Amino acid sequence: KAGVTQTPRYLIKTRGQQVTLSCSPISGHRSVSWYQQTPGQGLQFLFEYFSETQRNKGNFPGRFSGRQFSNSRSEMNVSTLELGDSALYLCASSSRTSGTGELFFGEGSRLTVL
Amino acid sequence: QKEVEQNSGPLSVPEGAIASLNCTYSDRGSQSFFWYRQYSGKSPELIMSIYSNGDKEDGRFTAQLNKASQYVSLLIRDSQPSDSATYLCAVKDSGGGADGLTFGKGTHLIIQP
Repeated sequence: KAGVTQTPRYLIKTRGQQVTLSCSPISGHRSVSWYQQTPGQGLQFLFEYFSETQRNKGNFPGRFSGRQFSNSRSEMNVSTLELGDSALYLCASSSRTSGTGELFFGEGSRLTVL
Repeated sequence: QKEVEQNSGPLSVPEGAIASLNCTYSDRGSQSFFWYRQYSGKSPELIMSIYSNGDKEDGRFTAQLNKASQYVSLLIRDSQPSDSATYLCAVKDSGGGADGLTFGKGTHLIIQP
């Protein structure tokens, strides 16, 4: 069974640009969550989607957005990039309905903002 | 604001000994507790979940939960060099909604051969 797939794995952007990250969950998983990981703040929750609906959002500015498609694939977008957005962005899927903490993480998309 | 606290380490344990990792959390409404392991350069992987007070054993791993003390621990018996990693404690409230996990910053564990 294929795991959670994230693309791209690495990307470099400059301040002010925008970026879109993609996540394909494990087949059959309908819940997708996004997390940001940095050395200083650790893992922080961005948002969670279930059946194309955003169920909740973490404490991030509106520049961070996401969506989920009918096939459960998800994308997240960061607009007007700032240096502090440099991080590893992790997508995780779950087989259970929204609200579980039993997550399967992808390998992440490492974003560098120059 | 919900907080999960862990000693960052490094925690150095000789091979074959018991490694004990600890975690405290601030939100008394927390209902679900998890331990994730993250190898350097890799993504986190779930190793234990615990939902009620007491101990839960899975192979060499034992998770312990004390909700009254707001304390979660992970014991690794017969520690192996392959257990060297960062261990992340994560907590979720019962909210009924979809709040994400609140993670601690992790304890770096080193198993010395």
